[in-house]
Amino acid sequence: NAGVTQTPKFQVLKTGQSMTLQCAQDMNHNSMYWYRQDPGMGLRLIYYSASEGTTDKGEVPNGYNVSRLNKREFSLRLESAAPSQTSVYFCASVQGQGSKGGGYTFGSGTRLTVV
Amino acid sequence: GNSVTQMEGPVTLSEEAFLTINCTYTATGYPSLFWYVQYPGEGLQLLLKATKADDKGSNKGFEATYRKETTSFHLEKGSVQVSDSAVYFCALIQGAQKLVFGQGTRLTINP
Repeated sequence: NAGVTQTPKFQVLKTGQSMTLQCAQDMNHNSMYWYRQDPGMGLRLIYYSASEGTTDKGEVPNGYNVSRLNKREFSLRLESAAPSQTSVYFCASVQGQGSKGGGYTFGSGTRLTVV
Repeated sequence: GNSVTQMEGPVTLSEEAFLTINCTYTATGYPSLFWYVQYPGEGLQLLLKATKADDKGSNKGFEATYRKETTSFHLEKGSVQVSDSAVYFCALIQGAQKLVFGQGTRLTINP
């Protein structure tokens, strides 16, 4: 099925470890996003990529890096994980940036625990 | 900057009850407004949207009307079902900006 695929679905890290969250979409969308979801705080934007080859910081970028590998793939990297990064991470994509029609498609999420 | 405020949850109702989840926003100009739903263990799905003042979005028995005068986009359903149990997010987007979410409201429907 067409959509946004995130891997892994679950991950436990020790403080200081690094890892990369993978995201791929097969809808030929231009823009891709990484959000984190924390209880009582909704979804907050970490980084986004308006098009292949460009990335920009969102609301909460500290402690993260991203790579827009090609039009399909947008990865999120934690270089040195901290307990404050325990969260559920969602990747999303949309055809155009800031589309009035909405049309964001979300992945099913990665639940990350840092101990 | 733009922001969205939703009513505090969690909300617990009995099946066939009337549902209202309040949402107000702060933005300059005329943003587009959305309700997204997140079922347990899944990502967010677009439930309904409205792109200009007085528009009514509707889907699956849910409705919300874009009220510019009160900067609101309240979600309503006349008769909820157990299958409506989920987390509901109000969101807005404006121009070339990014989707901004409210904090989410967890809804539980008891049979």
